[in-house]
Amino acid sequence: QLQLQESGPGLVKPSETLSLTCTVSGGSISSNDYYWGWIRQPPGKDLEWIGSIYHSGSTYYSSSLKSRVTISVDMSKNQFSLKLSSVTAADMAMYYCARHHNTPQWFDPWGQGTLVTVSS
Amino acid sequence: DIQMTQSPSSLSAPVGDRVTITCRTSQSITSHLNWYRQRPGKAPELLIYGASRLQSGVPSRFSGSGSGTDFTLTISSLQPEDFATYYCQQSYNTPITFGQGTRLEIK
Repeated sequence: QLQLQESGPGLVKPSETLSLTCTVSGGSISSNDYYWGWIRQPPGKDLEWIGSIYHSGSTYYSSSLKSRVTISVDMSKNQFSLKLSSVTAADMAMYYCARHHNTPQWFDPWGQGTLVTVSS
Repeated sequence: DIQMTQSPSSLSAPVGDRVTITCRTSQSITSHLNWYRQRPGKAPELLIYGASRLQSGVPSRFSGSGSGTDFTLTISSLQPEDFATYYCQQSYNTPITFGQGTRLEIK
């Protein structure tokens, strides 16, 4: 059974870079049918797709975050990662990683999520 | 960006009831619409993809319908684990967008 697990600092200072990693177990990140995505959810607010990556390294990002986001993949570790630069309080959220089925597109399964707080 | 509007934003119903949640999009997305359930403190779970296709392992009390701009999620007989928040999501084009959620509470 495929499982995803987010990891990384739960506290980031304003203006610094948020860095999270998603470890995939029970399946290979190199599957041709799937991208791997990041989605976030500020407390009490809507889900927001951040971006997704294919095992080849091909990425696509939300236009609203594109200037600050980098998603990368490490096939040797079966992991993919998120970096979000110049964070502010507006970036405080639960961050989820998920398998992103390509055609048709859907997210399943999801990791349990990791809460990132932005504070000095 | 494609805007997603769910209605109602919240509702309450007893166990065993039939409920319907609606999602309307700001432009036609054909059938590129998915539904998720998010239980309190948990990650979202995929229920329906392609507007009407039941994800493997999801109980048959869940069904989806619609195309174009208007979609519905129906739960035929509410179970205790169904009291959660439900989200629609479009995958017609990027950015992928989600609805604001419908909170389903026990009556």
